[in-house]
Amino acid sequence: SSELTQDPVVSVALGQTVRITCQGDSLRSYYASWYQQKPGQAPVLVIYGKNNRPSGIPDRFSGSSSGNTASLTITGAQAEDEADYYCNSRDSSGNHLGVFGTGTKVTVL
Amino acid sequence: EVQLVESGGGLVKPGGSLRLSCAASGFTFSSYSMNWVRQAPGKGLEWVSSISSSSSYIHYADSVKGRFTISRDNAKNSLYLQMNSLRAEDTAVYYCARETSYYDILTGYQHYYFEYWGQGTLVTVSS
Repeated sequence: SSELTQDPVVSVALGQTVRITCQGDSLRSYYASWYQQKPGQAPVLVIYGKNNRPSGIPDRFSGSSSGNTASLTITGAQAEDEADYYCNSRDSSGNHLGVFGTGTKVTVL
Repeated sequence: EVQLVESGGGLVKPGGSLRLSCAASGFTFSSYSMNWVRQAPGKGLEWVSSISSSSSYIHYADSVKGRFTISRDNAKNSLYLQMNSLRAEDTAVYYCARETSYYDILTGYQHYYFEYWGQGTLVTVSS
């Protein structure tokens, strides 16, 4: 099965920009989607496809991809952006969305 | 409004069984693949299983293969997960998630993602 690797912890000052990366072989074939999860809550989709935001997601969230690395950028981080973030992609076989990243805890200082 | 509501979680002894349900509303359930994703206490997200819209394609994580069975009833707008031979390491919050896919004509890529999630149901396996 495939694996997606993320940095465990990232900090950002209030109002500054932070980039969260996700690395894995499956990302050469499939775009990653990104999920925000706050304590005690279900994950919420924030980015999908090349760089698409679902309705209600602020435009300070953006996504990009190059080679085997996908990135989620928060431009002008807010206190409410403090959360765990997970990337996800289809596995290398292309059969299912069975690959989640290891997760990144974003702390807003 | 899309809603996914899981139920059926609880405390079960090792080796026991449990059946989870996910009631869907607000969309044409029979048109979408559905998934179960779990999260052990303090851990990350782990995909468990997926089922295509007509139940033709079913996949499982290696960690649950042979013990869990996913199914759906499109007439009842419901998704199920039958969990047998439960182990302590199966303790987790179990989420059902709707999978959305579309073809992006600009990039030439088929995109897949979990567009909607339920609130989850807690399964605790302990003696």
